[in-house]
Amino acid sequence: LAKTTQPISMDSYEGQEVNITCSHNNIATNDYITWYQQFPSQGPRFIIQGYKTKVTNEVASLFIPADRKSSTLSLPRVSLSDTAVYYCLVGAVNTNAGKSTFGDGTTLTVKP
Amino acid sequence: GAGVSQSPRYKVAKRGQDVALRCDPISGHVSLFWYQQALGQGPEFLTYFQNEAQLDKSGLPSDRFFAERPEGSVSTLKIQRTQQEDSAVYLCASSWEDGTSGNTIYFGEGSWLTVV
Repeated sequence: LAKTTQPISMDSYEGQEVNITCSHNNIATNDYITWYQQFPSQGPRFIIQGYKTKVTNEVASLFIPADRKSSTLSLPRVSLSDTAVYYCLVGAVNTNAGKSTFGDGTTLTVKP
Repeated sequence: GAGVSQSPRYKVAKRGQDVALRCDPISGHVSLFWYQQALGQGPEFLTYFQNEAQLDKSGLPSDRFFAERPEGSVSTLKIQRTQQEDSAVYLCASSWEDGTSGNTIYFGEGSWLTVV
């Protein structure tokens, strides 16, 4: 069971870069790292996924060091609409392949 | 459909009442998952289907919770004799693949259950 640890909350200002780090010391060889974003009254939304090194898409970057025991979600130039809860998920969601949990996530508040 | 659809969006049930929550996954998605999310917490896994087979129900909190997906598409989560601690958001998610690591799952908006 891959357990993750994230900061409970973070504050930022519009236009800044935000980095949210997730610790996952027990990550298994086959585990991927996935980040989800959740707005109030909505289901979680996939942001980005990676296995090692760096992954970048149109909304975020994911940095994974060589030991894979942590990962950092980077949101460039955040806006007010990026205020949400961010979850780091390690491993599979299918318990046949190794159960993973969402944890309580990081509440990001972006201020004007 | 364009996304995972859940109904009802909001449900208020009297304690002891039975409820049924429906999930329409993305068309063609093999895997379907149910999660329970309490206020201020992350989603907690309840159960997983691959097509019509319920491969894992280890997260169901009690025998009052029952899920089915008889034809491998639409799924229903049923809660019998609801209790106040069942109040939560019930999230459904689906995926093309079997949910092993590296697969992306897509969530619905959730069904908000309040037991009074």
